[in-house]
Amino acid sequence: NAGVTQTPKFQVLKTGQSMTLQCAQDMNHNSMYWYRQDPGMGLRLIYYSASEGTTDKGEVPNGYNVSRLNKREFSLRLESAAPSQTSVYFCASNRNRGWETQYFGPGTRLLVL
Amino acid sequence: GENVEQHPSTLSVQEGDSAVIKCTYSDSASNYFPWYKQELGKRPQLIIDIRSNVGEKKDQRIAVTLNKTAKHFSLHITETQPEDSAVYFCAASKGSGGYNKLIFGAGTRLAVHP
Repeated sequence: NAGVTQTPKFQVLKTGQSMTLQCAQDMNHNSMYWYRQDPGMGLRLIYYSASEGTTDKGEVPNGYNVSRLNKREFSLRLESAAPSQTSVYFCASNRNRGWETQYFGPGTRLLVL
Repeated sequence: GENVEQHPSTLSVQEGDSAVIKCTYSDSASNYFPWYKQELGKRPQLIIDIRSNVGEKKDQRIAVTLNKTAKHFSLHITETQPEDSAVYFCAASKGSGGYNKLIFGAGTRLAVHP
């Protein structure tokens, strides 16, 4: 099993450009999450999807949109990138239960100029 | 909403010493407290977790303690080794419904010197 995979690994954007970060898991998990990681601020939840067909906002949703394409895939879209969105983005997943371990993908490093 | 504070932000120890990282949380309804380890350039990985019905949990050289009254929990690493060098994150969650939203602390960078 590949676990949680993310593409791309690294991306450079200019301010105002758009892009979609892709995430897929092969563990038959129902819940998926998008986090951003900034120095000194830990991991902050952007959006999550408790199950296929549902999405909800996390702590820092402004400037992002998400799509739960199917049970395996959960994408994060930046419609108009800003320098403040320079960060490392992690996707995670777990089974649809309250106390289950979250498994993280390898991350996407995004630089917005 | 929930807020998790983590201390210290950096910790330097000699190999073989113990290391302790402390976290406090604000929401008394939180009931799940995992710890993640993140090596440089890698993804966070769960190393141990504790639920609110347990006061302490051990796994070899790693232990976590929880004080619900004081709303704080701690990670203890004994006999530290150079491979323990990493950033450690605590987190808290209410685990409501069928999913858990984790609120993370800011992280502790642990350096273990040979």
